[in-house]
Amino acid sequence: DTAVSQTPKYLVTQMGNDKSIKCEQNLGHDTMYWYKQDSKKFLKIMFSYNNKELIINETVPNRFSPKSPDKAHLNLHINSLELGDSAVYFCASSQTDHTVRNSPLHFGNGTRLTVT
Amino acid sequence: GDSVTQMEGPVTLSEEAFLTINCTYTATGYPSLFWYVQYPGEGLQLLLKATKADDKGSNKGFEATYRKETTSFHLEKGSVQVSDSAVYFCALINDYKLSFGAGTTVTVRA
Repeated sequence: DTAVSQTPKYLVTQMGNDKSIKCEQNLGHDTMYWYKQDSKKFLKIMFSYNNKELIINETVPNRFSPKSPDKAHLNLHINSLELGDSAVYFCASSQTDHTVRNSPLHFGNGTRLTVT
Repeated sequence: GDSVTQMEGPVTLSEEAFLTINCTYTATGYPSLFWYVQYPGEGLQLLLKATKADDKGSNKGFEATYRKETTSFHLEKGSVQVSDSAVYFCALINDYKLSFGAGTTVTVRA
């Protein structure tokens, strides 16, 4: 059973298009994240949701909009795609209530977005 | 704020060589420390963790000890295999905030 699953695995699209990446976790975690990994493997957090509420929103263009319909899902919608958006996007989840202090993140396998 | 610094790569080794990847951190309070591994084309997997000072995390022949006095969490493996070729990330979580190192690419040659 895949703990954190994201789709699609690969996404190739043209500049200006709008696309979405979906993420689901079956671990019962209360917090979900989106990370962007650039070509040098550097990981940058984009968003974090706790129980469907946005708790981290780093400096990300407002073309990126996360949506959390329930605590097991966190989707990422990107409007007006640009060349610089090409990267690998990772979804992750963790349990952050006070009963599990500093629990690790569990990552999906990533979505490689290529904008042409 | 909290931060993690790990040695820059890339690191290239021969099979059966000894691997060390240095990681130091800056944090207040009592963070938990982690090593994640990312194999080519895959997501990050938790490799090992340590939640308090002097704890040793170990998995798949890798070890790291939480050293509060030197604020370090160096990753070691005594005899690497080609299958250990990956990117390794040191990370800490402190009050629910996660900080990653920049990643170290390790290539093991047969």
